[in-house]
Amino acid sequence: DSGVTQTPKHLITATGQRVTLRCSPRSGDLSVYWYQQSLDQGLQFLIQYYNGEERAKGNILERFSAQQFPDLHSELNLSSLELGDSALYFCASSLPEGGILEQFFGPGTRLTVL
Amino acid sequence: GQNIDQPTEMTATEGAIVQINCTYQTSGFNGLFWYQQHAGEAPTFLSYNVLDGLEEKGRFSSFLSRSKGYSYLLLKELQMKDSASYLCAVRAPYSGAGSYQLTFGKGTKLSVIP
Repeated sequence: DSGVTQTPKHLITATGQRVTLRCSPRSGDLSVYWYQQSLDQGLQFLIQYYNGEERAKGNILERFSAQQFPDLHSELNLSSLELGDSALYFCASSLPEGGILEQFFGPGTRLTVL
Repeated sequence: GQNIDQPTEMTATEGAIVQINCTYQTSGFNGLFWYQQHAGEAPTFLSYNVLDGLEEKGRFSSFLSRSKGYSYLLLKELQMKDSASYLCAVRAPYSGAGSYQLTFGKGTKLSVIP
């Protein structure tokens, strides 16, 4: 158990819908990273937040957005869902400083768009 | 841009040694990580290299050559539970305020057979 929690574990929805994925980082971690993992693309970085502010953006679609709240939990919002958005979505967190600053991953949310 | 290459699949025998290679061409470098990921589960941190040379951690070792853009993960005394995907990830140079972005390769699926 990495200490990072994600809900829900599974999500099944229809095309055109909107969903929200939630992540709580490990205690003391200020950074939250979101990743998408599909079979053919591997683990793709979407976006990073640090202490409530957006810090880096990867291959995130305009239909996707995220935020980090004052209690440091983060939400990833996916809208106008398409079949191709079906994937595992992971969040990860890391310390703000000290050590090698590896990322600890949550258990993921499996999104199925029908 | 970032390009990270790993073999897609490998098979090895229980008790043997296997080496998983990773080559990278990235616009900057601030360390290389190896993660293990069992099917449908979260990636878990295995090893980290930032300087050239070998890092050993029990049955796992990782090597880095920055001049060649090359790393490998060595797994000794293979066990059935080592069947998993192994992800190579390069960390971008620090860009301020907690930003430690990782770019992942597509992973190498290792099958350990009796």
